[in-house]
Amino acid sequence: GENVEQHPSTLSVQEGDSAVIKCTYSDSASNYFPWYKQELGKRPQLIIDIRSNVGEKKDQRIAVTLNKTAKHFSLHITETQPEDSAVYFCAASWNEKLTFGTGTRLTIIP
Amino acid sequence: GAGVSQSPSNKVTEKGKDVELRCDPISGHTALYWYRQSLGQGLEFLIYFQGNSAPDKSGLPSDRFSAERTGGSVSTLTIQRTQQEDSAVYLCASSLEGGNTGELFFGEGSRLTVL
Repeated sequence: GENVEQHPSTLSVQEGDSAVIKCTYSDSASNYFPWYKQELGKRPQLIIDIRSNVGEKKDQRIAVTLNKTAKHFSLHITETQPEDSAVYFCAASWNEKLTFGTGTRLTIIP
Repeated sequence: GAGVSQSPSNKVTEKGKDVELRCDPISGHTALYWYRQSLGQGLEFLIYFQGNSAPDKSGLPSDRFSAERTGGSVSTLTIQRTQQEDSAVYLCASSLEGGNTGELFFGEGSRLTVL
């Protein structure tokens, strides 16, 4: 089955700076890579996703890059704001199942 | 309803008792997932339904765990003879088609505490 590793587990950045979270996956058949954000006490929600036929995708301050050869993908958040503080989960889809990474707790320092 | 609904939101039980957790997916969503989230941990896959069938049960931790889905809608996750290590938040999610095609919509979760 799929194995997804996520780093770092915690990340603190100054407000206005950029944050980068990295994930690797094991199964080359995976073809869908979403990112979910979970605010404290709330449910995870999709913030951006990328499919295997695309190398990069942007949505305002958020971007995701995918390197299929190396089997890794990253989330980039620019101009961070206090509301970006949350736990972020990457995931990879294999055989209809979405396998999640262990999460990154992002803290934005005012 | 507009979103995924789970009940109970909180459940405290004694070790050895059975518990049932219910999930009401978004109407029309054919795919339904159960995940477990322990304190400060990631999302551990338990089971996936497409319609009423479960193509992937690989994540169920032991034979004390079972799940069913009826009418392509409501799903129940049953934990028999609960143990303290079963304490976690159990999250249900539904998707219009499946995990490799689109967004998963999560419920608020059922927090299980086994004393």
